[in-house]
Amino acid sequence: DAEITQSPRHKITETGRQVTLACHQTWNHNNMFWYRQDLGHGLRLIHYSYGVHDTNKGEVSDGYSVSRSNTEDLPLTLESAASSQTSVYFCASSESGRLSSYNEQFFGPGTRLTVL
Amino acid sequence: GENVEQHPSTLSVQEGDSAVIKCTYSDSASNYFPWYKQELGKGPQLIIDIRSNVGEKKDQRIAVTLNKTAKHFSLHITETQPEDSAVYFCAASTSLRGKLTFGQGTILTVHP
Repeated sequence: DAEITQSPRHKITETGRQVTLACHQTWNHNNMFWYRQDLGHGLRLIHYSYGVHDTNKGEVSDGYSVSRSNTEDLPLTLESAASSQTSVYFCASSESGRLSSYNEQFFGPGTRLTVL
Repeated sequence: GENVEQHPSTLSVQEGDSAVIKCTYSDSASNYFPWYKQELGKGPQLIIDIRSNVGEKKDQRIAVTLNKTAKHFSLHITETQPEDSAVYFCAASTSLRGKLTFGQGTILTVHP
């Protein structure tokens, strides 16, 4: 069955270290998204991509970067981890929108990141 | 950009009661409004959505209403069951390409 996976599921790191969170989907979806979830803030968009080599900043992109070299993967990198980046991170994917249709976002299981 | 406000942040009901969660949005260009349910330890999952050309949509015990004039939409769950306990998120989108702005989430607890 097609799916979306994230790794690692849990990560503890230290302030200043570079961290990369992996996201892999097997639906061949063009659209991929990274969110962070914090109590009281819901899901906030970090970065998103509409296809290979396309990346866009979301509302909370400072300190994060992504690259899209193939359809299946959108890794999220924290260049220099900060305690404020302690959060649960979710990756999602969806098909490209058609003229009269919006497409469901399918979410991965999440990665819990702790920055000490 | 779009801003979505969701209330209440927590909601506690008895099994069999109804639950209502409300959201308001700021961008009048928004035309797609999905609702996601997140169970403990899992990613959110779409439960129902509504397009701007529709005022109400039902799926068994779940219904969503939309008032475009007032820029608010609501999720209604009837005959609640303990398995409805979860975090619920509303969202809004102006784009066919799927970029969503989410509300803050509502923790729903259904007591047996």
